[in-house]
Amino acid sequence: GESVGLHLPTLSVQEGDNSIINCAYSNSASDYFIWYKQESGKGPQFIIDIRSNMDKRQGQRVTVLLNKTVKHLSLQIAATQPGDSAVYFCAENSGYSTLTFGKGTMLLVSP
Amino acid sequence: DTGVSQDPRHKITKRGQNVTFRCDPISEHNRLYWYRQTLGQGPEFLTYFQNEAQLEKSRLLSDRFSAERPKGSFSTLEIQRTEQGDSAMYLCASLKYETSYYNEQFFGPGTRLTVL
Repeated sequence: GESVGLHLPTLSVQEGDNSIINCAYSNSASDYFIWYKQESGKGPQFIIDIRSNMDKRQGQRVTVLLNKTVKHLSLQIAATQPGDSAVYFCAENSGYSTLTFGKGTMLLVSP
Repeated sequence: DTGVSQDPRHKITKRGQNVTFRCDPISEHNRLYWYRQTLGQGPEFLTYFQNEAQLEKSRLLSDRFSAERPKGSFSTLEIQRTEQGDSAMYLCASLKYETSYYNEQFFGPGTRLTVL
């Protein structure tokens, strides 16, 4: 079946650096994408979303880029902080608001 | 705290026993979802409700699994005759569904099930 996946399982950065987490999706019919952050022992926490009619959306310190031509999604975190350390998942809307998640990327931020 | 609560947070059981988990969604949310997450993986969809109606079930939801949302508020997920492969985090999420646009799913903290 079609799925969402991530390129990098672990990303290590220094505090203050910018982080980029990538995600490839294969369902060209997907029209809504979400990034979630999950800390140990907690449920996923919404970070930012984007509709397929957009190619960029900005939030506070985060930006999501969508490239429909190559079916690629990225999450950029500016001035990464130790509190950003977590596992990040991209997810696509599979219909009826059912989400299909990728495997996740662990972000490790060193002080 | 997203406003979605789950109980218990942890459950250890022996193989063959039945277990039941509860989810209390955000009060005005009409949709409720159950997901399963194993270590290092993203959550996998199991089933969802709109109000009290169960509208979709994943092929992951074997006949040992049953979910209910009797009054359109809280939901329960029961696993009968548990197997070691059922060990996972069971996540609940809710959202207020409106047809004109997508709404964020709010996740609970999950119930960690360990089957010995």
